[in-house]
Parts: sequence; C-alpha cells; structure tokens
Amino acid sequence: DTGVSQNPRHKITKRGQNVTFRCDPISEHNRLYWYRQTLGQGPEFLTYFQNEAQLEKSRLLSDRFSAERPKGSFSTLEIQRTEQGDSAMYLCASSLEGGGRDTQYFGPGTRLTVL
Amino acid sequence: AQSVTQLDSQVPVFEEAPVELRCNYSSSVSVYLFWYVQYPNQGLQLLLKYLSGSTLVESINGFEAEFNKSQTSFHLRKPSVHISDTAEYFCAVSDHGAGGFKTIFGAGTRLFVKA
Repeated sequence: DTGVSQNPRHKITKRGQNVTFRCDPISEHNRLYWYRQTLGQGPEFLTYFQNEAQLEKSRLLSDRFSAERPKGSFSTLEIQRTEQGDSAMYLCASSLEGGGRDTQYFGPGTRLTVL
Repeated sequence: AQSVTQLDSQVPVFEEAPVELRCNYSSSVSVYLFWYVQYPNQGLQLLLKYLSGSTLVESINGFEAEFNKSQTSFHLRKPSVHISDTAEYFCAVSDHGAGGFKTIFGAGTRLFVKA
C-alpha cells in the first residue's frame, strides 16, 4: 500500500500521560499536514510541513503539542500531559505540490481516547 | 479569515432521487475549493476540486459542483443517488494568498440514502 499510513490506529491513555503518533506520507510528497477531527465536526487544521520545515501552526496547537518532520519524510505528533479534551481523531495528510492547489491524501487517522 | 458553512448537517434522500449538498465559504482572497467524502469507517477521500477555469467540476462517480463567486458557494449535486453514496461529505477551502497556507473544512453533511 503506497498511501498515507498512521500509527497507531487507536490509542487509549490516562490523563496526564504523553502520547506520540507517527505519520508516513506518500513517499514523493513534500508537504505533510496534521488535522484533528472530533465527533460531528470537520477536520481542524493543526500544522503543516514543507519538507522538514514547519511553516504554519494553528492556535489550536497549544504548548503541549509538538510536531516534527526531521528528515522531510515521516512526521510525529506528540501530546504532552494529555487532557480529556484531547480525545479526537488525529489525521495526517500529504501532498506533492504547493500553494493551496495541491490534492491532499489522507491517512486513516489515529483515534485518541484520554481517560 | 476563511470559513466554510455547510448548511445541512444531515440530508436523507431516497435512492435514485437527486440531491444537493450546500456549501458557502468566506475568504478575502482567491480560493481553491474541494469536496471530500468519508465513507463509514474509512478515511477522507477527495471527491472533486475547483482550482481555476470552468466553474463546473465533476467527479468520476456522477457528482458535480459549481463554483459561484458572486454567491461564494460551491454546492455539490448528483442527479440520481445510490445506496453506496451514503457517507459524510466535507466542503473545504484553501487560499493562495500570501502569508501561509491551510485548508479549512466545513462541519460536514451526512448523506443518508434510503431504499
């Protein structure tokens, strides 16, 4: 399968714990995006990378959230000191072109449940 | 700031009937417009997009959407729906102005096709 992959698919954690999610984009794609989706809502933009550079971060991305894409390939999203409000589906997408016209290909998501 | 409004959260319709899913957006710059579909237990998939040129765009499975700049709308239509079209549909907008890039999604419309 050459699509976007995300691991783990499900994560259950206790409040206060740290969690890390991984996204592997389509191999030749230079842009990578993270979104959060809660029940009954559309995906909310969190951040995006062009190659290894993080070019924009949403105000939704509090200080407890950090994302990296160290070699311009896979990316990780870490949430520190998780809260129940962090429970959501975390989506990753990648694209090849740029400037807003590119087609984003989405992964299956990581569902986070914070108890 | 950009925003997307999907006017209907749920649309029930009988099989073979026509359907229109409404989407309005606001943006201060020129935009690209997208419709994504999310089938039950699957990830988001691009259905169709408007980048430039003809204001009427079509998908391979019979959906079409028309970009109306004066009304800031990008409604999705299908003349005859199938049971298999049951899914959640998300309208999205991204801009190509200066100062960054992100895609904003609407809250989604759940299309339920009844036999």
